[in-house]
Amino acid sequence: AQKVTQAQTEISVVEKEDVTLDCVYETRDTTYYLFWYKQPPSGELVFLIRRNSFDEQNEISGRYSWNFQKSTSSFNFTITASQVVDSAVYFCALISNSNSGYALNFGKGTSLLVTP
Amino acid sequence: DSGVTQTPKHLITATGQRVTLRCSPRSGDLSVYWYQQSLDQGLQFLIQYYNGEERAKGNILERFSAQQFPDLHSELNLSSLELGDSALYFCASSVAEGGGSSYNEQFFGPGTRLTVL
Repeated sequence: AQKVTQAQTEISVVEKEDVTLDCVYETRDTTYYLFWYKQPPSGELVFLIRRNSFDEQNEISGRYSWNFQKSTSSFNFTITASQVVDSAVYFCALISNSNSGYALNFGKGTSLLVTP
Repeated sequence: DSGVTQTPKHLITATGQRVTLRCSPRSGDLSVYWYQQSLDQGLQFLIQYYNGEERAKGNILERFSAQQFPDLHSELNLSSLELGDSALYFCASSVAEGGGSSYNEQFFGPGTRLTVL
C-alpha cells in the first residue's frame, strides 16, 4: 500500500524566516514519483516539483528547495526567506507502479501561514 | 492558468438531486483524472480516463460515474446527492496515460465547489 504522511498540520512563520515542510512516504515499489503541489487561498492546485525514485539529487528553484532521502523515505520542502505570498496549503503526493492507475496519492497537506 | 477548464465554478443543489461537472483538458492532453477534496477525506482520487477509455478507479462511489468524450472533455456525474458529497471536485490532465519510464505532471483545473443542502 502507498501512504503519504505530512505530520505538520499547520505552520506559522514570520516573513523572511526559513521553513521546512516534512513529507514521509511509504511504498513497496522501487519505481515511484514524488510531487509537491501548492494550494493558495484561491483554491487551485499548482504543480511545484516532480522527483523520481532513482534521482536523489536535491533540487533548488529560487527560494524553494527539496531534499529527497530514500534512506528515511522523506521528501522535504524548504522555503527560504518566506514571503506572505507563500501562504498556502502544500501537498506532498506519490505515484507508484501499484497505485490505482497513475493517480496521485496525496498527503493531508500542511497549511503554511506567513505573517508580515 | 493551467489550461484545464472546469465548469461550473460553483454548484448548489439539494439532497437527492443529480449534477454534472464538466472538464476540458489542456490542449494535447489525453488523460483526465477526477479528484475530490473534502475536509474529512482530504484529496482523493476518483477515476481516470485515457483517450476515451476508463483506466483506473479510486474511491469513487457507485452513485458517481464519469466519461470522456471523443473531443477529450470529460464529465463527472453525481447522483442521489447526499450532504457528505459537498466538496471541491478537481479535474486534472496529463499528456500520457502515465506508465513507462516517466510519469507526466498532472495539471489541475480550478475545481468545482459543490454544496449539497
